[in-house]
Amino acid sequence: NAGVTQTPKFQVLKTGQSMTLQCAQDMNHNSMYWYRQDPGMGLRLIYYSASEGTTDKGEVPNGYNVSRLNKREFSLRLESAAPSQTSVYFCASSEVLGADTEAFFGQGTRLTVV
Amino acid sequence: KNEVEQSPQNLTAQEGEFITINCSYSVGISALHWLQQHPGGGIVSLFMLSSGKKKHGRLIATINIQEKHSSLHITASHPRDSAVYICAVTGGGADGLTFGKGTHLIIQP
Repeated sequence: NAGVTQTPKFQVLKTGQSMTLQCAQDMNHNSMYWYRQDPGMGLRLIYYSASEGTTDKGEVPNGYNVSRLNKREFSLRLESAAPSQTSVYFCASSEVLGADTEAFFGQGTRLTVV
Repeated sequence: KNEVEQSPQNLTAQEGEFITINCSYSVGISALHWLQQHPGGGIVSLFMLSSGKKKHGRLIATINIQEKHSSLHITASHPRDSAVYICAVTGGGADGLTFGKGTHLIIQP
């Protein structure tokens, strides 16, 4: 059981470079999420996808784009990385958006922008 | 927006001690989650509860909906329990979970 798989685990980017964080889940979940985790702060929602074909902004969407490629995959793209985007990124999934269902998280991607 | 507060922020205890971590929130919810994050590791769901109490091994989670408060207890604590414990709530809305800042727990042998 893979659960939620994120790649890469670590990445260093130069300011202005672009990259895509990949996320896939094998639990047939409808909803997927991208969060960022910064020191001294709780996880904050960047974007979410309630179901295949839909995406919506979360609390901190600026500087990011997402694609729900299919039911399994939800990618996060940084078009022009900035030092403020240095963070640990977590992908998560749940069966149904907003319902009382357990959330499953990936292992995280530690991104440094220099 | 729901405000989720955890206490304490940091906790160091000796092996075997009974541990309590608290979580309070400002707006009514449909469910509360307790999560565990080991250093450098991913996030694992421990409990999801909307009322009463749940127990899993040495871990117990309780929630008081009227008081908007939940506690996570660890009995007979062990060094492997050292981790960050995160409280998160959902109101059943379209924005997923709202997280507390976490409690950093260290259990010394």
